[in-house]
Amino acid sequence: KAGVTQTPRYLIKTRGQQVTLSCSPISGHRSVSWYQQTPGQGLQFLFEYFSETQRNKGNFPGRFSGRQFSNSRSEMNVSTLELGDSALYLCASSLALGQLDGYTFGSGTRLTVV
Amino acid sequence: TQLLEQSPQFLSIQEGENLTVYCNSSSVFSSLQWYRQEPGEGPVLLVTVVTGGEVKKLKRLTFQFGDARKDSSLHITAAQPGDTGLYLCAGATGANNLFFGTGTRLTVIP
Repeated sequence: KAGVTQTPRYLIKTRGQQVTLSCSPISGHRSVSWYQQTPGQGLQFLFEYFSETQRNKGNFPGRFSGRQFSNSRSEMNVSTLELGDSALYLCASSLALGQLDGYTFGSGTRLTVV
Repeated sequence: TQLLEQSPQFLSIQEGENLTVYCNSSSVFSSLQWYRQEPGEGPVLLVTVVTGGEVKKLKRLTFQFGDARKDSSLHITAAQPGDTGLYLCAGATGANNLFFGTGTRLTVIP
């Protein structure tokens, strides 16, 4: 079965712009989580969506937002980009809330802010 | 904030050697997972451990969850170049949050 698909794979944006990243979970998976990965901070939780509702949110500013559609696909948006937003953004899906069965991650979107 | 410290941070060994990676926290987790991440890819789940004291084996990899569910270890026997990657532990809390460790970057030299 198809894995978690993230688009685009690479993105270069200018400071102050906004960006939208997309994530299509594994068929049947209803929970989608987003993580930011940087060399200095490692993987940090952004938010989790389940049944089109944000269920959990990490400690990121309001410039980071997301949504989930009825088909479980999710998007995350970052507005007013800063240089420090450069990172690998990973999406992970799971069957339901709670991670006892583990996540399946996508390959990520590499965002570079210049 | 639950902090998961992994040690060592970097590990470079020869093919055929054994190694152990540690994941420690002061927090109790309902479950703990181990992932391996290769460059340019997302982490891939290796195992989930749930019960304190639990030991799981996956071919040459042995995972152990501490009795108090605060720590875990990953032991690799006879490491191979294909084991090279970033190993991440992740602890789940009752609030459905998953906290990732700082990671151990393993290089196995042929």
